[in-house]
Amino acid sequence: QVQLQQSGPGLVKPSQTLSLTCAISGDSVSNESGAWHWIRQSPSRGIEWLGRTYYRSKWYTDYAVSLKSRITINPDTSKNQFSLQLNFVTPEDAAVYYCAGDYTVVGGVPEDIFDLWGQGTVVTVSS
Amino acid sequence: AIRMTQSPSSLSASIGDRVTITCRASQDMSSFLAWYQQKPGTAPKLMIYGASTLQTGVPSRFSGSGSGTDFTLTISWLQSEDYATYYCQQYYTYPPTFGQGTKLEIK
Repeated sequence: QVQLQQSGPGLVKPSQTLSLTCAISGDSVSNESGAWHWIRQSPSRGIEWLGRTYYRSKWYTDYAVSLKSRITINPDTSKNQFSLQLNFVTPEDAAVYYCAGDYTVVGGVPEDIFDLWGQGTVVTVSS
Repeated sequence: AIRMTQSPSSLSASIGDRVTITCRASQDMSSFLAWYQQKPGTAPKLMIYGASTLQTGVPSRFSGSGSGTDFTLTISWLQSEDYATYYCQQYYTYPPTFGQGTKLEIK
């Protein structure tokens, strides 16, 4: 059974960098049928997809256009995990952050159907 | 990005009721629609994908229908464990986008 376990601080100061990690158990981050996403949820913005990374003979990464200048998602094959970095955070970035996974046929394009979720991390932006 | 609009925003219903939630897309998206259930303090749970295919383990009282721009989620015989917030999500085009949610409450 595949599980995602999130870690990282729940409090970030304004203008600092939010860093979260999602560890995968029961599967490999390099699985060529999986894709690994970050999603956030807040009362003001609802559920918002942030970006994804996936391996299909090489690594691919896609980001939400609105965050493209501030976001980085990286896989870490040595630790079988992937990470989120969001720079220059403001109070608008306060949310529950989730990592999520989706599976498709081997070698296929991610379908963006999120059948696997981490437990969520409540992130507060405050000095 | 495709905008997803759910109605109603909230709904009160009794055990045993039949409940229908609607999701409308801002453009034609074929059947590339998923439904999620979320209970307080937990992550969303995938219930339906492809507009009408039940995820493994989801009770058969849940059903989905629709294509194009209009979709529905129906719970045929409401049970106590079904009280939650439900979200639709399109995966027809990048980026994937979610509806604002429908909160199903006990009447």
